[in-house]
Amino acid sequence: GAGVSQSPSNKVTEKGKDVELRCDPISGHTALYWYRQSLGQGLEFLIYFQGNSAPDKSGLPSDRFSAERTGGSVSTLTIQRTQQEDSAVYLCASSQARGTEAFFGQGTRLTVV
Amino acid sequence: AQTVTQSQPEMSVQEAETVTLSCTYDTSESNYYLFWYKQPPSRQMILVIRQEAYKQQNATENRFSVNFQKAAKSFSLKISDSQLGDTAMYFCAFMKLHSNSGYALNFGKGTSLLVTP
Repeated sequence: GAGVSQSPSNKVTEKGKDVELRCDPISGHTALYWYRQSLGQGLEFLIYFQGNSAPDKSGLPSDRFSAERTGGSVSTLTIQRTQQEDSAVYLCASSQARGTEAFFGQGTRLTVV
Repeated sequence: AQTVTQSQPEMSVQEAETVTLSCTYDTSESNYYLFWYKQPPSRQMILVIRQEAYKQQNATENRFSVNFQKAAKSFSLKISDSQLGDTAMYFCAFMKLHSNSGYALNFGKGTSLLVTP
């Protein structure tokens, strides 16, 4: 596609439910990032995928968070048993190679009520 | 983890004036990349400018330029002839060049820039 696509753009869920957020990176980009941005805050690193290497999961805040990237392309971020503090914008980015520009999606705004 | 610090949470500048946003970082690496990203109210992150640490020459993109001081670990962004469309959050980001465990972009907390008429 022309850019990084994220879906849904907005998601409202009840506390305790599981949610899945999807990211379609730019075709051919080997690196994929997930970030969390709370209201008025900076970007908090969650997880990074690079090609076929093991992902860097060092930013995942708890074991309720997980992510996978199938076939080196689409990625899904899953949050289990959502809590109100999970409410944030979740941003996905992809890049062609190390050191090159990371292109961001529009994000998914998650609201846990 | 690398630390990126943006010490100015908010700044304001008049249209056509020049403004400088500061960024410092902490790393023991010698090779890395630095970036400035812009996030307007639309939420879309847009790359403004990129600097390779091994290059001494400061990067420039039209009205945007950086002052890269490697020894001081400082990477400030200068916006000349500010325009109303420059109003946005600006994030400084750091990326290691070589690593055995991931190359995540590490972001600062951002500076909110308001350009006034």
